[in-house]
Amino acid sequence: AQSVTQLGSHVSVSEGALVLLRCNYSSSVPPYLFWYVQYPNQGLQLLLKYTSAATLVKGINGFEAEFKKSETSFHLTKPSAHMSDAAEYFCAVKTPALNNDMRFGAGTRLTVKP
Amino acid sequence: EAGVTQFPSHSVIEKGQTVTLRCDPISGHDNLYWYRRVMGKEIKFLLHFVKESKQDESGMPNNRFLAERTGGTYSTLKVQPAELEDSGVYFCASSQGLGVETQYFGPGTRLLVL
Repeated sequence: AQSVTQLGSHVSVSEGALVLLRCNYSSSVPPYLFWYVQYPNQGLQLLLKYTSAATLVKGINGFEAEFKKSETSFHLTKPSAHMSDAAEYFCAVKTPALNNDMRFGAGTRLTVKP
Repeated sequence: EAGVTQFPSHSVIEKGQTVTLRCDPISGHDNLYWYRRVMGKEIKFLLHFVKESKQDESGMPNNRFLAERTGGTYSTLKVQPAELEDSGVYFCASSQGLGVETQYFGPGTRLLVL
């Protein structure tokens, strides 16, 4: 079975600082990996996804994530945080070889301090 | 193009009552998913429709939950009778295909059972 673990339910950074949100996955077959963001009172919005092409994936709003098979990780980064990045971020894994549902992590709430 | 919509946005009911949640997927999307997030925990898969057929309902918690997708368009999720532990946010998502296809999420329905 596949699963993801997000390290840190809350992360706080200063505006302009590096954002690093951690995600580790477990899967018995090659996975697809996703990062979603949820702004207050909105639905989940896809930031980026890994589909076994390039290991470094660039997404919207300046975010990127790197797939590292040896570390079973898919951490999300952004070089410089903006106040508008404050939201909850979810890592998810999908393994079409097994099924088509997505397994989500518990989420990481990002706070950006001025 | 309209996104995934869900109704109602909030629902407060008493234990033992019935609640019906509705999801309208993006037009043309054959795949429709229901997920649930209980307070502070991960988003969990409930079930997956392909058109009007239930492809996977392995995540449905018990027989108090009934999902339908009449004519392969909108879907409803009925909880009858509701229990306290059913409280949470219910998300609907849709996708055009399977595999790496992006799932587009609605804003969710916040259900509180008192």
